[in-house]
Amino acid sequence: KNEVEQSPQNLTAQEGEFITINCSYSVGISALHWLQQHPGGGIVSLFMLSSGKKKHGRLIATINIQEKHSSLHITASHPRDSAVYICAVKGVTDKLIFGTGTRLQVFP
Amino acid sequence: EPEVTQTPSHQVTQMGQEVILRCVPISNHLYFYWYRQILGQKVEFLVSFYNNEISEKSEIFDDQFSVERPDGSNFTLKIRSTKLEDSAMYFCASRGSLEGGRNEQFFGPGTRLTVL
Repeated sequence: KNEVEQSPQNLTAQEGEFITINCSYSVGISALHWLQQHPGGGIVSLFMLSSGKKKHGRLIATINIQEKHSSLHITASHPRDSAVYICAVKGVTDKLIFGTGTRLQVFP
Repeated sequence: EPEVTQTPSHQVTQMGQEVILRCVPISNHLYFYWYRQILGQKVEFLVSFYNNEISEKSEIFDDQFSVERPDGSNFTLKIRSTKLEDSAMYFCASRGSLEGGRNEQFFGPGTRLTVL
């Protein structure tokens, strides 16, 4: 069983739609990251959070420590949001444990 | 904004050859990492490095792999005798200290290694 599970694996949306990507984890964590990976392969950090909620522009990330669950929301989605979104957790050690990613495609 | 850089962007090598992947972490960062992503799979941790020694390594990081910080700026991953299954994208990451500021890991753009 994967320590970090994401859903859905693939997501297609029309421009303007509200998008939610979910992440569940089975290990104790000190922090959870949401990352974005573009087709060229580069990884960009979007959020790091250990409790509550963070917002940056049209992106919102929430985490529920008791339920071991986090969500990434994109409001007013745009084609340039098309990418793979990855959830990764930091447990008792410093390494990140990655989910398999959610491939998002937003069509005009 | 400061960023992690990696060279080369793409390396093609023959099986059995040695390769060195190079990374320049963000200048005031103290913690360094290598991860890899085999095509179509999730990113996997290889090794973390702090204070000139390995802090943690995964099962993947066997005797064929080594890391080094040869000077104050570079952080390298060496694969001594490459295998076909080493073909992957290799990401370097770095992080500052836990006290103050952003302490998440910042990733480089990756080096795509192709072993023939």
